[in-house]
Amino acid sequence: DAGVIQSPRHEVTEMGQEVTLRCKLISGHNSLFWYRQTMMRGLELLIYFNNNVPIDDSGMPEDRFSAKMPNASFSTLKIQPSEPRDSAVYFCASSPPPGGVGNEQFFGPGTRLTVL
Amino acid sequence: AQSVSQHNHHVILSEAASLELGCNYSYGGTVNLFWYVQYPGQHLQLLLKYFSGDPLVKGIKGFEAEFIKSKFSFNLRKPSVQWSDTAEYFCAVNARGATNKLIFGTGTLLAVQP
Repeated sequence: DAGVIQSPRHEVTEMGQEVTLRCKLISGHNSLFWYRQTMMRGLELLIYFNNNVPIDDSGMPEDRFSAKMPNASFSTLKIQPSEPRDSAVYFCASSPPPGGVGNEQFFGPGTRLTVL
Repeated sequence: AQSVSQHNHHVILSEAASLELGCNYSYGGTVNLFWYVQYPGQHLQLLLKYFSGDPLVKGIKGFEAEFIKSKFSFNLRKPSVQWSDTAEYFCAVNARGATNKLIFGTGTLLAVQP
């Protein structure tokens, strides 16, 4: 099992540019979570999907941020236009359907985004 | 609303010292509880979890946690820490059956001095 896969691992861009972060879920998982981690604000949940449907996007900072799940195994988080304050590590996590093992989340390696 | 409190923001210990990190949550219903660890420059990894049964849960690398329902607590312990335990530790809670969402605490940064 390859685990949650995120790309790119590092992204450096200039203010105003569009940024797209990608995430591939673990096979068989049906929930997908996007988090942002910074020194100032810690770990924040941005949005999560269940069976491809966005369930809670209350953590999305503003309209510049959008997330999609075009199929059961893949998601994108887009920032357009990007700003320096968006600089952070963005983590994707997935979890299996609720059941005997509960709903532990498995985290990807993260994308370190720097907006100049 | 659910919340998780980790009262120790930064802990410094010498090797072989015992560790206890506090975690309290607020939620009146049934919960699943987790401790995650984040080593420097890495992603969050599960240390241990509690869903039901024995309230004393043993995890990887010698860590354990005890769920005390009456105190709404799930403290993390290790009898003897090592330099390699230097990391940030996050407690998280999930309202069982209500949502898939995990509510994370703010994290405790542990530095173990050799």
